[in-house]
Amino acid sequence: EAGVAQSPRYKIIEKRQSVAFWCNPISGHATLYWYQQILGQGPKLLIQFQNNGVVDDSQLPKDRFSAERLKGVDSTLKIQPAKLEDSAVYLCASSPSRASRDTQYFGPGTRLTVL
Amino acid sequence: GENVEQHPSTLSVQEGDSAVIKCTYSDSASNYFPWYKQELGKRPQLIIDIRSNVGEKKDQRIAVTLNKTAKHFSLHITETQPEDSAVYFCAASTGANSKLTFGKGITLSVRP
Repeated sequence: EAGVAQSPRYKIIEKRQSVAFWCNPISGHATLYWYQQILGQGPKLLIQFQNNGVVDDSQLPKDRFSAERLKGVDSTLKIQPAKLEDSAVYLCASSPSRASRDTQYFGPGTRLTVL
Repeated sequence: GENVEQHPSTLSVQEGDSAVIKCTYSDSASNYFPWYKQELGKRPQLIIDIRSNVGEKKDQRIAVTLNKTAKHFSLHITETQPEDSAVYFCAASTGANSKLTFGKGITLSVRP
């Protein structure tokens, strides 16, 4: 089966600019996650969707980050305006459901550099 | 919230030796503990997991043990090979939405 797809793979922007990332989960997976992975650290959950509804966005900096999952399939994550500390790899993951028994499958990530 | 810590942060072993990576967690309600392997520039990939009703699980050269009383779990790799060199992340799952909290990762280097 095809894996989780993300684009772009790399993005370089200047601070205060806007950026958007796209994710296409594995077909049929109801749950979609966006993680932020800063260099040298583990992934940190930003937002979790169940179909097209948000079930956890407690660690999403809502003053600058937003995400949506229209129609319960693809998702976009946006940062506006970007700060230097947003430099990180943004990983998208999906799982069949939000049950703990379901493995989360990760995409290749988008590496964001904010100058 | 849940807090997951990994020790040590780096580990170097000779090819053929065993490697043990330990993690501790803080929330006694956590019920699922996966281990992910991440090679340089690549995505994290699940290598093994364990649920809170099991004390040990093994898959070929890899095993995971869980001590719920002490709130720690460990990854054991036997007969290490150079291709085992990577960053290993442990995680704990908590709550109705099975939120995963990751540790900071450990860099394992296997010397040929």
